[in-house]
Amino acid sequence: QVQVEQSGAEVKKPGASVKLSCKASGYSFTTYAMDWVRQAPGQGLEWMGRINVGNANTKYSQKFQGRVTITRDTSASTAYMELSSLTSEDTAVYYCATSRIRDHVDNVDWFDPWGQGTLVTVSS
Amino acid sequence: DFVMTQSPDSLAVSLGERATINCKSSPSVLYTPDNKNYLAWYQQKPGQPPKVLFYWASTRESGVPDRFSGSGSGTDFTLTISSLQAEDVAVYYCQQYFTTPPSFGQGTKVEIK
Repeated sequence: QVQVEQSGAEVKKPGASVKLSCKASGYSFTTYAMDWVRQAPGQGLEWMGRINVGNANTKYSQKFQGRVTITRDTSASTAYMELSSLTSEDTAVYYCATSRIRDHVDNVDWFDPWGQGTLVTVSS
Repeated sequence: DFVMTQSPDSLAVSLGERATINCKSSPSVLYTPDNKNYLAWYQQKPGQPPKVLFYWASTRESGVPDRFSGSGSGTDFTLTISSLQAEDVAVYYCQQYFTTPPSFGQGTKVEIK
């Protein structure tokens, strides 16, 4: 059964960093991509970035460029997303989601499955 | 970047009645060499992650009830629930995967009237 399991909720102070994890199972981890999507309270879905798990190539949303880093540990079948310089605007549920890589520039197909989400609360 | 616009933002439908959600993409998500529309629909219930309902605009994911249908091509797409059930209360999102960055519609909240 293909699934992704995310790390637990975090509470951070403004200016801090947070590193979330996403452990995959039930499929060949290195042949897919892992994307990160966040959802602020009561809001829609916002794409943050992606890692090609096989070659570690990354793509980031311009909005988060310079503040987000996505990595992976293939031996642990786990992807990580670190977001720095947190503000209250970063309070959100952060999802990881798996997708099939379909071309050489790391475009992917639809997201399936998604992790259960990790709530990050930024508060002084 | 691609912009996805859904309408309406919310709708209330009586049980057993039809619900229709529209999604417009700018530009087109139809890739003519393979004649596929790079569009997916997701359902998100409260407190849960999104779940894919359709990909390639109209291919139903395994396990999705057949009262759900996806249609459209190019820039205009529709998700239809033919007979709304209580368990269909959720927010529905369209998403283009034609290119990176992927982008989502703002969501349509479906409630029971």
